[in-house]
Amino acid sequence: EADIYQTPRYLVIGTGKKITLECSQTMGHDKMYWYQQDPGMELHLIHYSYGVNSTEKGDLSSESTVSRIRTEHFPLTLESARPSHTSQYLCASINRRNTEAFFGQGTRLTVV
Amino acid sequence: GIQVEQSPPDLILQEGANSTLRCNFSDSVNNLQWFHQNPWGQLINLFYIPSGTKQNGRLSATTVATERYSLLYISSSQTTDSGVYFCAVLYAQKLVFGQGTRLTINP
Repeated sequence: EADIYQTPRYLVIGTGKKITLECSQTMGHDKMYWYQQDPGMELHLIHYSYGVNSTEKGDLSSESTVSRIRTEHFPLTLESARPSHTSQYLCASINRRNTEAFFGQGTRLTVV
Repeated sequence: GIQVEQSPPDLILQEGANSTLRCNFSDSVNNLQWFHQNPWGQLINLFYIPSGTKQNGRLSATTVATERYSLLYISSSQTTDSGVYFCAVLYAQKLVFGQGTRLTINP
């Protein structure tokens, strides 16, 4: 079973609020990823990191930011939530041999 | 960047049928994975298959790297096989996904 955790699982929040989505893994993986996905649709890469103190923007423009101060922790922050941010956010890590990616259970965000 | 395309986008079958899902990619890769996303949204890794063929129960996968495609075979489908199947490639540190194939298995 994958040891990658996301919290919260569900979040309903008002427009303009600041939120942080948490992602942690206990497998010591260097590469970590954040994706945005509408239910059953394509996964859009919004941020990735290949180690501590490295963060890169993905292919989908996003108003969110990430940090990677510790190997195991890769939080995503929205400074001012908007209804257009309503979606599912998935966090993943990949093992050092690059042979298997593990996903958290996702955070379903609704901005009202 | 690399393009990853999957076909068909949707597939509806009766229980017991066999299916073939395809993944094409636009550049050379040495890392390809198949995933299943269940109706609750959880993504599970099925295969790491950069080349050759692998089998796991009723599922098997084949990648022909020189021709830039991979196939996922599902035999004797069960209703629990329903969901969305994604292929993904690791390219320039990014894990890039195709748009998925939605598989529905009816009883």
